[in-house]
Amino acid sequence: KAGVTQTPRYLIKTRGQQVTLSCSPISGHRSVSWYQQTPGQGLQFLFEYFSETQRNKGNFPGRFSGRQFSNSRSEMNVSTLELGDSALYLCASSPRGGTGNTIYFGEGSWLTVV
Amino acid sequence: DQQVKQNSPSLSVQEGRISILNCDYTNSMFDYFLWYKKYPAEGPTFLISISSIKDKNEDGRFTVFLNKSAKHLSLHIVPSQPGDSAVYFCAATDYGGSQGNLIFGKGTKLSVKP
Repeated sequence: KAGVTQTPRYLIKTRGQQVTLSCSPISGHRSVSWYQQTPGQGLQFLFEYFSETQRNKGNFPGRFSGRQFSNSRSEMNVSTLELGDSALYLCASSPRGGTGNTIYFGEGSWLTVV
Repeated sequence: DQQVKQNSPSLSVQEGRISILNCDYTNSMFDYFLWYKKYPAEGPTFLISISSIKDKNEDGRFTVFLNKSAKHLSLHIVPSQPGDSAVYFCAATDYGGSQGNLIFGKGTKLSVKP
């Protein structure tokens, strides 16, 4: 069974640019969530999508957005990149959301903003 | 304000001995707790979880203990092996809430020495 797949794995962008990251959840999983990991802040929740609807949102500025498609694949977008956006962005999926379901993480997309 | 705290950034243990990783939380609404293990450049891997209706959950070498009155949980690894060396994250969520919205601690780096 394929795991959570994230693309691209590594990318370098310039301040002011925008970036789109992609996530394919485990087959059959309908909940996709995104996290940002930085050395100073640890793992922080960005947002969660379930059945193409954003169900939860963390405390991030509006430059961070996402969407989910009918096949449960998800993308997140960061506009007007800042140096502080350099981080590991992790996507996670779970079968249907709700307490008790294990969340499985992808390997992440490393974003460097220069 | 951190809702989930892992106050020890690092822990060093001899192979074969017990590793005890601690986690404290402040939000009394949290009702489900998870531990993840993370190697560098990889996504977190689910280890073990516990619901607040239990005070202990065991899976092989890993046992998680929950003390609701103290808002404290711990992960015991017995016996510790060099392959256990990684960063361990404690995470929490509230029952009935979206599983996608995990609140993570900042992690404890475990080093198991041969």
